[in-house]
Amino acid sequence: GAGVSQSPRYKVAKRGQDVALRCDPISGHVSLFWYQQALGQGPEFLTYFQNEAQLDKSGLPSDRFFAERPEGSVSTLKIQRTQQEDSAVYLCASSLAGVLYEQYFGPGTRLTVT
Amino acid sequence: AQRVTQPEKLLSVFKGAPVELKCNYSYSGSPELFWYVQYSRQRLQLLLRHISRESIKGFTADLNKGETSFHLKKPFAQEEDSAMYYCALSGFKAAGNKLTFGGGTRVLVKP
Repeated sequence: GAGVSQSPRYKVAKRGQDVALRCDPISGHVSLFWYQQALGQGPEFLTYFQNEAQLDKSGLPSDRFFAERPEGSVSTLKIQRTQQEDSAVYLCASSLAGVLYEQYFGPGTRLTVT
Repeated sequence: AQRVTQPEKLLSVFKGAPVELKCNYSYSGSPELFWYVQYSRQRLQLLLRHISRESIKGFTADLNKGETSFHLKKPFAQEEDSAMYYCALSGFKAAGNKLTFGGGTRVLVKP
């Protein structure tokens, strides 16, 4: 079946604008993760959902970042009042529940804040 | 705090030569260790993980708890191995095992 999809693939925002990034996980995947990957670095954890419950948001860098997954499927990562340091690739990953299950990554959304 | 270190940003080898990517970690407890790979214009994908004890595409990785390392090795590199490689770790909870990644090593296999 289809893998994890993300939209838009590229987003350019002026500093101060709000943006919304969408993630469509693999159907039936309970767990959903968001990661931020700055240029030249590895991905860094932002937040985790199990179904519709946001169980871990310890990686969100500021209260300008907000994520939701209201029906336990599609998730949206929202960034308010974007800053230049928010420029990064935002990756979404989904998996079945349980330690043995692999996280499948989407292609990412490249956000550039000018 | 958990941390993954990949000391080499770039590794350049000739086709047929051995390649070893270094990975060191710090974690309070027993983590699960992974290697992820990203080929050009493709998404991040799992290459192998410690718990599976598999050899994938000729790559192996051995967990050394004493040295807290999980180095990735391949005896004979191929041009198609050129890619970005990330070492990562997670915990062993029932769910929500977030991944902590290293900074990545770019491997370039020259003909």
